[in-house]
Amino acid sequence: QKEVEQNSGPLSVPEGAIASLNCTYSDRVSQSFFWYRQYSGKSPELIMSIYSNGDKEDGRFTAQLNKASQYVSLLIRDSQPSDSATYLCAAYNAGNNRKLIWGLGTSLAVNP
Amino acid sequence: SAVISQKPSRDICQRGTSLTIQCQVDSQVTMMFWYRQQPGQSLTLIATANQGSEATYESGFVIDKFPISRPNLTFSTLTVSNMSPEDSSIYLCSVGEKNTEAFFGQGTRLTVV
Repeated sequence: QKEVEQNSGPLSVPEGAIASLNCTYSDRVSQSFFWYRQYSGKSPELIMSIYSNGDKEDGRFTAQLNKASQYVSLLIRDSQPSDSATYLCAAYNAGNNRKLIWGLGTSLAVNP
Repeated sequence: SAVISQKPSRDICQRGTSLTIQCQVDSQVTMMFWYRQQPGQSLTLIATANQGSEATYESGFVIDKFPISRPNLTFSTLTVSNMSPEDSSIYLCSVGEKNTEAFFGQGTRLTVV
C-alpha cells in the first residue's frame, strides 16, 4: 500500500451538491493530515489541516479523520463551479516529520 | 502564514543552459523545500534546503543537476543545470515547520526547448 492514496477521479458533481473526497493512508505516515486545493497552472493552497480523530469544519469544508480505518475525507458542501480543481491529500512521513508525503490528487468538476 | 515570492514565474530556456529560481519569504522559516510537479502529476520533493549547510536531496535528485543555496532563513535558490526537455516542469518553493502546514510560492513554469 502506498503511504497516501487518493482516487484520481475525475469526480463530477452538480452545483449545490456535496462533494466527497477521500484519502487512505498507511502506518508509514504520522497523524497530521492536510488537504490542499490546486487550480490548473497554480500552486497548491492549504484548505484544511486535521490532527485528531473526528470532524473539523471550516465554512463549506469539513475534514474527517478516522484513525481506526486509516482514512481522511474532505467534504465540500454546496459545491460551486469555482471549487473545480485538483485536491491533494498530504501527511508527514512517520519517521521524518519534516517530509510531507503527497497523494496523487483527485480532480473535481462541479457542473453548473 | 508566510508570504512567499518566487521568481521567475515562467521561462523558456534552451537545452544545455541553466536557470536559477529564487524564493524569498517575508519571515524567518526553519524549513524550505523545493518540489517539481510534472504535467498532470502530483508533487515530487527534490530537496530540503538547509540554512548554512548542504541541501538534503531525495532519491533520484543530485546536487550537480539541482544545486541549491540557502544563505539565510528567508531566502533560497534552486538551479536547474544543463537543462534538457525532460526538465520541463513546474518548480515550487515551499516553507513550513515540523509537522505543520506547508505553504507554497507561486511556482515557476519551465519549458526547455
